[in-house]
Amino acid sequence: GQQVQQSPTSLVLQEGENAELQCNFSTSLNSMQWFYQRPGGSLISVFYNPSGTKQSGRLTSTTVIKERRSSLHISSSQITDSGTYLCAMEHPGGYKVVFGSGTRLLVSP
Amino acid sequence: GGIITQTPKFLIGQEGQKLTLKCQQNFNHDTMYWYRQDSGKGLRLIYYSITENDLQKGDLSEGYDASREKKSSFSLTVTSAQKNEMAVFLCASSMGGDSDYTFGSGTRLLVI
Repeated sequence: GQQVQQSPTSLVLQEGENAELQCNFSTSLNSMQWFYQRPGGSLISVFYNPSGTKQSGRLTSTTVIKERRSSLHISSSQITDSGTYLCAMEHPGGYKVVFGSGTRLLVSP
Repeated sequence: GGIITQTPKFLIGQEGQKLTLKCQQNFNHDTMYWYRQDSGKGLRLIYYSITENDLQKGDLSEGYDASREKKSSFSLTVTSAQKNEMAVFLCASSMGGDSDYTFGSGTRLLVI
């Protein structure tokens, strides 16, 4: 089965609404990372978050390694937040990283 | 700051053709990766390399070769392109172990 489960698969919001994206891992992991990808664009690292909570502007990531989960919270969403958000976990021992299939976010006016 | 460059940005090949994708980074990162991204799916690891001349197979290595002749560059070869294949190939680098990743902008492949 899939080692990294992301939910929801897709999300449509109105500008100003909040979003909560989830990532669950079926195996133990060393660390995890959230990426953002605009359609046709490259992956940009949003958070490298092995554990705990990190905040950057309107984005907050919380990772609980023992519970094998991480979340990405987007507050007061903007149209420019639209795109795909991918989480990735790093296996213990390093080097091997597994990605989830992503959450497609569309923020409309 | 550093940069990771993938060439070409777009690649159109013919069925059965051997195609090579290149990736260069100037972060002095030890580890480099090649991923394949298909529409609606996550990224799948093809090959990675933890140092110059090292190669490790990922989950999707069949049909591909890779080469890490220098620390700064990592190339990927599609040994025999499959017709109607369309995907994005993403190169990444990291210091290895517990460290974050930086991605290139991708090579978009179309096989006709």
